[in-house]
Amino acid sequence: DSGVTQTPKHLITATGQRVTLRCSPRSGDLSVYWYQQSLDQGLQFLIQYYNGEERAKGNILERFSAQQFPDLHSELNLSSLELGDSALYFCASSVWTGAEAFFGQGTRLTVV
Amino acid sequence: AQSVAQPEDQVNVAEGNPLTVKCTYSVSGNPYLFWYVQYPNRGLQFLLKYITGDNLVKGSYGFEAEFNKSQTSFHLKKPSALVSDSALYFCAVSNRDDKIIFGKGTRLHILP
Repeated sequence: DSGVTQTPKHLITATGQRVTLRCSPRSGDLSVYWYQQSLDQGLQFLIQYYNGEERAKGNILERFSAQQFPDLHSELNLSSLELGDSALYFCASSVWTGAEAFFGQGTRLTVV
Repeated sequence: AQSVAQPEDQVNVAEGNPLTVKCTYSVSGNPYLFWYVQYPNRGLQFLLKYITGDNLVKGSYGFEAEFNKSQTSFHLKKPSALVSDSALYFCAVSNRDDKIIFGKGTRLHILP
């Protein structure tokens, strides 16, 4: 158990819908990362927060947004979902930016 | 910008033989380098890291990695492979104070 908790584990939704993925980082970790893993794209970096502030942005679509709350948990919002958004979404946390990150079990999103 | 290359999509090794999974990186400044392993339907697990110091880094499950600055490589090694080492392996790089970028992954098959 990495100490990073992601909910839900599985999500099935229709195209055009909006979903929210939640992540609770390890105790004491200030940095939260979101990654998307699909079969043909490997592990794509989406966005990073550090102590509540956006720190870095990767290949995150405009339909996607995220935030980190004062209690350091983070949410990833995916809207106007398309079939191609079906993937595993991972959250990871680290004690500081650049330190080794510890991953949650992921949320498997299926868009039908 | 940071980048990581894992040139082999798949590596096959006989049980008991030494294994190497290759990784090269590009980053400005001094790199922080990581290896992670992913088992089916699981999140990524941290194996080892290089930040500074000895070029040979030892990690979990008998794995080690060798940092080579001139070749910008960080290959993962194990002296004697086990069938249970079969998994997906990711190399990652970070520049202190920056995001962690992952390679596309190498699938390791250990043949009994």
